[in-house]
Amino acid sequence: GDSVTQMEGPVTLSEEAFLTINCTYTATGYPSLFWYVQYPGEGLQLLLKATKADDKGSNKGFEATYRKETTSFHLEKGSVQVSDSAVYFCAQNRDDKIIFGKGTRLHILP
Amino acid sequence: EADIYQTPRYLVIGTGKKITLECSQTMGHDKMYWYQQDPGMELHLIHYSYGVNSTEKGDLSSESTVSRIRTEHFPLTLESARPSHTSQYLCASSEGGHQPQHFGDGTRLSIL
Repeated sequence: GDSVTQMEGPVTLSEEAFLTINCTYTATGYPSLFWYVQYPGEGLQLLLKATKADDKGSNKGFEATYRKETTSFHLEKGSVQVSDSAVYFCAQNRDDKIIFGKGTRLHILP
Repeated sequence: EADIYQTPRYLVIGTGKKITLECSQTMGHDKMYWYQQDPGMELHLIHYSYGVNSTEKGDLSSESTVSRIRTEHFPLTLESARPSHTSQYLCASSEGGHQPQHFGDGTRLSIL
Protein backbone atom coordinates (compact mmCIF):
# COMPACT_ATOMS: atom_id res chain seq x y z
CA GLY A 1 0.00 0.00 0.00
CA ASP A 2 0.87 3.66 -0.11
CA SER A 3 3.39 4.74 2.52
CA VAL A 4 5.93 7.36 3.59
CA THR A 5 9.31 6.55 5.11
CA GLN A 6 11.53 9.19 6.65
CA MET A 7 14.83 9.02 8.46
CA GLU A 8 14.67 8.25 12.14
CA GLY A 9 15.84 10.80 14.63
CA PRO A 10 16.75 12.47 16.68
CA VAL A 11 19.00 14.53 14.45
CA THR A 12 21.34 16.87 16.32
CA LEU A 13 23.21 19.64 14.52
CA SER A 14 25.09 22.78 15.41
CA GLU A 15 23.70 26.16 14.43
CA GLU A 16 24.49 27.14 10.80
CA ALA A 17 25.00 23.50 9.76
CA PHE A 18 23.45 22.05 6.59
CA LEU A 19 20.33 19.97 7.11
CA THR A 20 18.98 17.05 5.12
CA ILE A 21 16.06 14.90 6.28
CA ASN A 22 15.43 12.03 3.89
CA CYS A 23 11.93 11.03 2.82
CA THR A 24 10.78 8.41 0.33
CA TYR A 25 7.28 7.37 -0.62
CA THR A 26 5.40 4.57 -2.33
CA ALA A 27 2.21 5.45 -4.17
CA THR A 28 -0.06 3.93 -6.79
CA GLY A 29 -0.89 7.30 -8.34
CA TYR A 30 0.65 10.77 -8.39
CA PRO A 31 0.20 12.26 -4.94
CA SER A 32 0.96 15.72 -3.70
CA LEU A 33 3.81 15.74 -1.19
CA PHE A 34 4.15 17.82 1.96
CA TRP A 35 6.49 18.64 4.80
CA TYR A 36 4.89 19.63 8.07
CA VAL A 37 6.63 20.99 11.18
CA GLN A 38 5.49 20.62 14.79
CA TYR A 39 6.97 22.95 17.42
CA PRO A 40 6.75 21.92 21.10
CA GLY A 41 3.22 22.13 22.47
CA GLU A 42 1.65 22.96 19.11
CA GLY A 43 -0.16 21.28 16.25
CA LEU A 44 1.31 20.63 12.82
CA GLN A 45 2.01 23.50 10.46
CA LEU A 46 2.42 23.10 6.72
CA LEU A 47 6.03 23.95 5.88
CA LEU A 48 6.03 23.38 2.13
CA LYS A 49 4.37 21.34 -0.59
CA ALA A 50 4.84 20.08 -4.15
CA THR A 51 2.03 18.86 -6.36
CA LYS A 52 3.83 17.25 -9.31
CA ALA A 53 7.14 15.76 -10.41
CA ASP A 54 10.12 18.17 -10.45
CA ASP A 55 8.20 20.79 -8.44
CA LYS A 56 10.28 22.44 -5.73
CA GLY A 57 8.54 23.56 -2.56
CA SER A 58 10.24 26.19 -0.43
CA ASN A 59 9.53 28.21 2.71
CA LYS A 60 11.58 29.81 5.51
CA GLY A 61 14.85 28.68 3.88
CA PHE A 62 13.71 25.05 3.63
CA GLU A 63 13.44 23.33 0.25
CA ALA A 64 12.31 19.95 -1.09
CA THR A 65 12.06 18.69 -4.67
CA TYR A 66 9.50 16.12 -5.85
CA ARG A 67 11.62 13.39 -7.47
CA LYS A 68 9.43 10.84 -9.24
CA GLU A 69 12.36 8.76 -10.51
CA THR A 70 13.65 8.14 -6.99
CA THR A 71 10.24 8.53 -5.24
CA SER A 72 11.83 10.99 -2.84
CA PHE A 73 11.08 14.37 -1.28
CA HIS A 74 14.10 15.17 0.89
CA LEU A 75 13.99 18.28 3.09
CA GLU A 76 17.04 20.58 3.03
CA LYS A 77 18.15 23.82 4.60
CA GLY A 78 21.49 25.48 4.07
CA SER A 79 22.00 26.99 7.53
CA VAL A 80 19.84 25.89 10.46
CA GLN A 81 18.99 28.01 13.48
CA VAL A 82 18.16 27.08 17.07
CA SER A 83 14.56 28.09 16.32
CA ASP A 84 14.34 25.27 13.75
CA SER A 85 14.33 22.70 16.58
CA ALA A 86 11.07 20.80 16.11
CA VAL A 87 9.60 17.57 14.75
CA TYR A 88 9.33 17.32 10.95
CA PHE A 89 6.81 15.10 9.16
CA CYS A 90 6.91 14.09 5.51
CA ALA A 91 3.51 13.26 4.04
CA GLN A 92 1.58 12.41 0.87
CA ASN A 93 -2.11 12.73 0.11
CA ARG A 94 -4.31 9.83 -0.93
CA ASP A 95 -8.08 9.95 -1.50
CA ASP A 96 -8.66 13.05 0.62
CA LYS A 97 -6.55 11.63 3.44
CA ILE A 98 -2.91 12.23 4.26
CA ILE A 99 -0.34 9.52 4.96
CA PHE A 100 2.33 10.74 7.35
CA GLY A 101 5.81 9.49 8.03
CA LYS A 102 6.68 8.77 11.64
CA GLY A 103 8.39 12.13 12.18
CA THR A 104 12.00 13.21 12.68
CA ARG A 105 12.97 15.18 15.77
CA LEU A 106 15.57 17.88 15.07
CA HIS A 107 17.74 19.46 17.79
CA ILE A 108 19.87 22.49 16.91
CA LEU A 109 22.64 23.37 19.36
CA PRO A 110 23.77 27.01 19.74
CA GLU B 1 -3.49 31.61 7.78
CA ALA B 2 -5.52 28.60 8.83
CA ASP B 3 -8.25 29.13 11.40
CA ILE B 4 -8.97 25.96 13.29
CA TYR B 5 -9.45 25.92 17.02
CA GLN B 6 -9.40 23.19 19.63
CA THR B 7 -10.57 23.40 23.23
CA PRO B 8 -9.51 22.67 25.85
CA ARG B 9 -5.75 22.77 25.26
CA TYR B 10 -5.11 20.64 28.34
CA LEU B 11 -7.43 18.40 30.34
CA VAL B 12 -6.68 16.29 33.39
CA ILE B 13 -9.67 14.27 34.53
CA GLY B 14 -10.58 11.12 36.44
CA THR B 15 -11.49 7.70 35.12
CA GLY B 16 -15.11 7.15 34.11
CA LYS B 17 -15.91 10.76 33.20
CA LYS B 18 -17.56 11.74 29.93
CA ILE B 19 -15.35 14.06 27.86
CA THR B 20 -15.98 16.14 24.77
CA LEU B 21 -13.09 17.67 22.85
CA GLU B 22 -14.14 20.61 20.69
CA CYS B 23 -12.89 21.44 17.21
CA SER B 24 -14.09 24.33 15.07
CA GLN B 25 -12.89 25.80 11.77
CA THR B 26 -13.87 29.02 10.02
CA MET B 27 -12.62 28.14 6.53
CA GLY B 28 -15.76 26.41 5.30
CA HIS B 29 -13.89 23.15 4.72
CA ASP B 30 -16.06 20.10 4.11
CA LYS B 31 -13.42 17.61 5.23
CA MET B 32 -12.37 17.28 8.86
CA TYR B 33 -10.18 14.80 10.71
CA TRP B 34 -9.20 13.65 14.20
CA TYR B 35 -5.75 12.22 14.92
CA GLN B 36 -4.29 10.64 18.03
CA GLN B 37 -0.61 11.37 18.52
CA ASP B 38 1.37 9.06 20.78
CA PRO B 39 4.47 10.11 22.75
CA GLY B 40 6.64 8.66 20.01
CA MET B 41 5.21 11.38 17.72
CA GLU B 42 3.45 9.09 15.23
CA LEU B 43 0.03 10.30 14.07
CA HIS B 44 -2.93 7.90 13.85
CA LEU B 45 -6.16 8.81 12.05
CA ILE B 46 -9.10 7.88 14.30
CA HIS B 47 -12.10 9.64 12.67
CA TYR B 48 -12.90 11.70 9.60
CA SER B 49 -15.85 13.45 8.00
CA TYR B 50 -16.45 14.55 4.42
CA GLY B 51 -19.39 16.78 5.24
CA VAL B 52 -22.43 17.34 7.42
CA ASN B 53 -23.93 14.08 8.72
CA SER B 54 -20.95 12.11 7.36
CA THR B 55 -18.55 10.39 9.78
CA GLU B 56 -16.19 7.46 9.32
CA LYS B 57 -13.76 5.55 11.49
CA GLY B 58 -10.08 5.93 10.70
CA ASP B 59 -7.17 3.55 10.53
CA LEU B 60 -6.72 3.22 14.31
CA SER B 61 -9.58 1.76 16.31
CA SER B 62 -10.82 4.19 18.95
CA GLU B 63 -13.50 4.05 21.63
CA SER B 64 -14.33 7.68 20.93
CA THR B 65 -17.23 8.90 18.78
CA VAL B 66 -17.69 11.99 16.63
CA SER B 67 -20.54 13.99 15.16
CA ARG B 68 -20.85 16.51 12.31
CA ILE B 69 -24.06 18.47 12.62
CA ARG B 70 -22.56 21.72 11.31
CA THR B 71 -19.84 22.22 8.72
CA GLU B 72 -17.63 24.19 11.08
CA HIS B 73 -17.86 21.94 14.13
CA PHE B 74 -16.48 18.40 14.64
CA PRO B 75 -16.50 17.38 18.32
CA LEU B 76 -15.02 14.14 19.66
CA THR B 77 -16.58 12.40 22.67
CA LEU B 78 -15.35 9.76 25.08
CA GLU B 79 -18.30 8.33 27.04
CA SER B 80 -16.20 6.88 29.86
CA ALA B 81 -12.57 7.96 29.99
CA ARG B 82 -9.84 5.46 30.89
CA PRO B 83 -6.09 5.89 31.48
CA SER B 84 -5.44 4.24 28.09
CA HIS B 85 -7.08 7.30 26.47
CA THR B 86 -4.26 9.53 27.70
CA SER B 87 -2.76 11.10 24.58
CA GLN B 88 -2.66 14.22 22.42
CA TYR B 89 -5.62 14.67 20.07
CA LEU B 90 -5.21 16.80 16.93
CA CYS B 91 -8.02 18.08 14.73
CA ALA B 92 -7.53 19.06 11.08
CA SER B 93 -9.56 20.29 8.12
CA SER B 94 -9.04 20.44 4.38
CA GLU B 95 -10.60 21.43 1.06
CA GLY B 96 -9.72 17.90 -0.06
CA GLY B 97 -8.16 16.72 -3.29
CA HIS B 98 -4.47 17.64 -3.44
CA GLN B 99 -4.81 20.38 -0.82
CA PRO B 100 -3.02 20.13 2.54
CA GLN B 101 -4.70 19.67 5.89
CA HIS B 102 -4.69 22.52 8.40
CA PHE B 103 -4.25 21.61 12.06
CA GLY B 104 -5.39 22.97 15.38
CA ASP B 105 -2.99 23.22 18.33
CA GLY B 106 -4.28 20.00 19.87
CA THR B 107 -5.73 18.85 23.18
CA ARG B 108 -3.41 17.09 25.59
CA LEU B 109 -5.60 14.70 27.56
CA SER B 110 -4.55 12.95 30.78
CA ILE B 111 -6.83 10.42 32.44
CA LEU B 112 -5.98 9.62 36.06
